[in-house]
Amino acid sequence: GAGVSQSPSNKVTEKGKDVELRCDPISGHTALYWYRQRLGQGLEFLIYFQGNSAPDKSGLPSDRFSAERTGESVSTLTIQRTQQEDSAVYLCASSFGLAGINEQFFGPGTRLTVL
Amino acid sequence: GDSVTQMEGPVTLSEEAFLTINCTYTATGYPSLFWYVQYPGEGLQLLLKATKADDKGSNKGFEATYRKETTSFHLEKGSVQVSDSAVYFCALSDGSSGTYKYIFGTGTRLKVLA
Repeated sequence: GAGVSQSPSNKVTEKGKDVELRCDPISGHTALYWYRQRLGQGLEFLIYFQGNSAPDKSGLPSDRFSAERTGESVSTLTIQRTQQEDSAVYLCASSFGLAGINEQFFGPGTRLTVL
Repeated sequence: GDSVTQMEGPVTLSEEAFLTINCTYTATGYPSLFWYVQYPGEGLQLLLKATKADDKGSNKGFEATYRKETTSFHLEKGSVQVSDSAVYFCALSDGSSGTYKYIFGTGTRLKVLA
């Protein structure tokens, strides 16, 4: 079956514009994660969805960042009024069942460049 | 809060050399521990995992043992190959706070020379 897909693969935007990034998890995966990976750095947790529970938003760096997920399917990460420091690769991952034990499957990422 | 610390890279080795990449963690509960690998031009993928103390995860010749007493999960391989060149990430997931978010280390780049 298909893996985790993300779109767009690359996004170049001007400072101050809003962007929306999309993630399609593996069908049936109840957990979905968003991470940010700045150049040469590790993965920074942003937000985590688990089934119908309230999402863990503790990693969102500012109120310009928000994410939604419709049931156990697609998720969108929105960044409002983008800043140059938002430039990074945004990774989405999904896992089946209890997320703390099961493997995460990562998408290829969206490379965001804010000019 | 929870954290993961792994050794700085890059690590450069000759083919067939022994590899160790150190990883230590802090967690309030009893986390599951993971090593993920990112090959050039590819996405992250799980390499191995351990879910409780003294468990040993292994895959593709790599091993790591969950050491609760030293809060460590060091990655080892007896004989590296050029194809092992990649970035390796140590991670934990601790559900004791009610959420299973993952915490990743900063990654260690490994370069294996023929």
